[in-house]
Amino acid sequence: EAQVTQNPRYLITVTGKKLTVTCSQNMNHEYMSWYRQDPGLGLRQIYYSMNVEVTDKGDVPEGYKVSRKEKRNFPLILESPSPNQTSLYFCASSFGRQGGTGELFFGEGSRLTVL
Amino acid sequence: QQQVKQSPQSLIVQKGGISIINCAYENTAFDYFPWYQQFPGKGPALLIAIRPDVSEKKEGRFTISFNKSAKQFSLHIMDSQPGDSATYFCAASIGGGSEKLVFGKGMKLTVNP
Repeated sequence: EAQVTQNPRYLITVTGKKLTVTCSQNMNHEYMSWYRQDPGLGLRQIYYSMNVEVTDKGDVPEGYKVSRKEKRNFPLILESPSPNQTSLYFCASSFGRQGGTGELFFGEGSRLTVL
Repeated sequence: QQQVKQSPQSLIVQKGGISIINCAYENTAFDYFPWYQQFPGKGPALLIAIRPDVSEKKEGRFTISFNKSAKQFSLHIMDSQPGDSATYFCAASIGGGSEKLVFGKGMKLTVNP
C-alpha cells in the first residue's frame, strides 16, 4: 500500500529534550516536506526537500532541523523543544519535478506536546 | 503575510444543501490551485485541483470555480452529505506542482443529517 508513515503518532516530552519524528514514504517520491497544523493557522511549511541531500527552509523553520540522506526518509529533528512547538505535524511527499499530478500525499500526523 | 485567504472559517449546512468555500490569493505567479480534505485524525488528502487555463472543473459533487482577474477560487459541494463533514483547505503554488504549496487556514464543514 502506497503511504507516508510517521512515528511516533503521539508524543509528550519536556522542554529541551531532543526528539526526532521519523517520516518514510514507499512511493519513490523525490519531494518531501514537513508541515505543522495549529488551530486558526492552517498548515504551515517547516522544511522541504527536493531530492536526496537537498533541503530548504519553509515558512516556519525556526527550532527545527531536517536531513535527507535517503530518498524514502525525511526525519524532523527538534534539538531543544519548547512549548510553542506543541502542534500537530504532518509529513508529505510527491513526485515533484519527476512529473505526476502535483498531488501531495500526507502521513497521518504526529501530535507533539512539549511541557 | 498570508498568501491565500480562506473564508468562512466554519460552515454548517443541512444534508442536501450546497456548501461554498471561498479563497483569495495575492501572488499572480500562482498557477496551481488544489483543495485538500481532512477528516479528524487523518492527514489532508487531495480532493480536486485546477490550473488557471480553465474557469471551472467538476468532479462528481465537487466543483472548483476559478476567477483569474479577481484572484479568487471557490469550492462548491453540491448535495452535501454528512460524510462530507471535514476540514477543507485551499492551497496554491508556483510551477504547477506541490513544491512550496501554500495553504489557507482551513474551513470546518459540518453537514447535519
